[in-house]
Amino acid sequence: DVKVTQSSRYLVKRTGEKVFLECVQDMDHENMFWYRQDPGLGLRLIYFSYDVKMKEKGDIPEGYSVSREKKERFSLILESASTNQTSMYLCASSFNWDNVGELFFGEGSRLTVL
Amino acid sequence: DAKTTQPTSMDCAEGRAANLPCNHSTISGNEYVYWYRQIHSQGPQYIIHGLKNNETNEMASLIITEDRKSSTLILPHATLRDTAVYYCIVRVAHNNNDMRFGAGTRLTVKP
Repeated sequence: DVKVTQSSRYLVKRTGEKVFLECVQDMDHENMFWYRQDPGLGLRLIYFSYDVKMKEKGDIPEGYSVSREKKERFSLILESASTNQTSMYLCASSFNWDNVGELFFGEGSRLTVL
Repeated sequence: DAKTTQPTSMDCAEGRAANLPCNHSTISGNEYVYWYRQIHSQGPQYIIHGLKNNETNEMASLIITEDRKSSTLILPHATLRDTAVYYCIVRVAHNNNDMRFGAGTRLTVKP
C-alpha cells in the first residue's frame, strides 16, 4: 500500500516562529503536493513539485516555501508563522505519467499559530 | 473560477443508493472528471474517474451525461462509513497544476 506520512498530526507554534512540515512517501512518486484545508474553503493548493529540486506555485503560495532535496521527501516551510496560517495541512503524492492521476494523501497536520 | 458546482450537503438512508451530482458545464474535451472523498480526520481518498463513458469500480459508479456538462457519483448501497465530504474535480490528465478541490458535498448517511 502507498503510504504518505506527515511528520506531525498536531503542532502549536507562536507567531513569528519558523515552522517545518515534513512529508515522506514510499512509492517512488515523482509528484508531491501541499494543500491547506479550511472550513468552507475546501482544499487549496499551496505548492507542488514534479521532480527533485523542482517546485511550482499553487494558488496560495504567499507566506510559504518548499524544499524537495530527495524524491521521497517534500517539506513545507513557514518562514514566520502568522495566525492566519492556522489550518490543516495535507500532503499528497502521485505518479507523473500515470493515466489514473490518483493522488495519495497523508493524514494531515493540524497547525495552530498563537 | 470554479470548474465544478456541487450541493453543499445531502442526506441518504443507510442501504439506499446515494446519488451525488456535479455540474461542470465548462469542461473541456481533454478534461477528466474525478471524484474523491474525505472522511472526518483523514486525508482525501480517490474514488473513481472518467472521461466520457460511464465507469464502475468496487466503490462506486460514475455516470457522465452525453454532453459531459454534468455527472453523478453513485454509491449503490450507502453505509454509515460512507459519511464524508465528496469532491468532484475536473482536470486534464497528467496536469499536476490542475487538481483543484472545491468545498465538496457533505454526505450524511443516516440509520
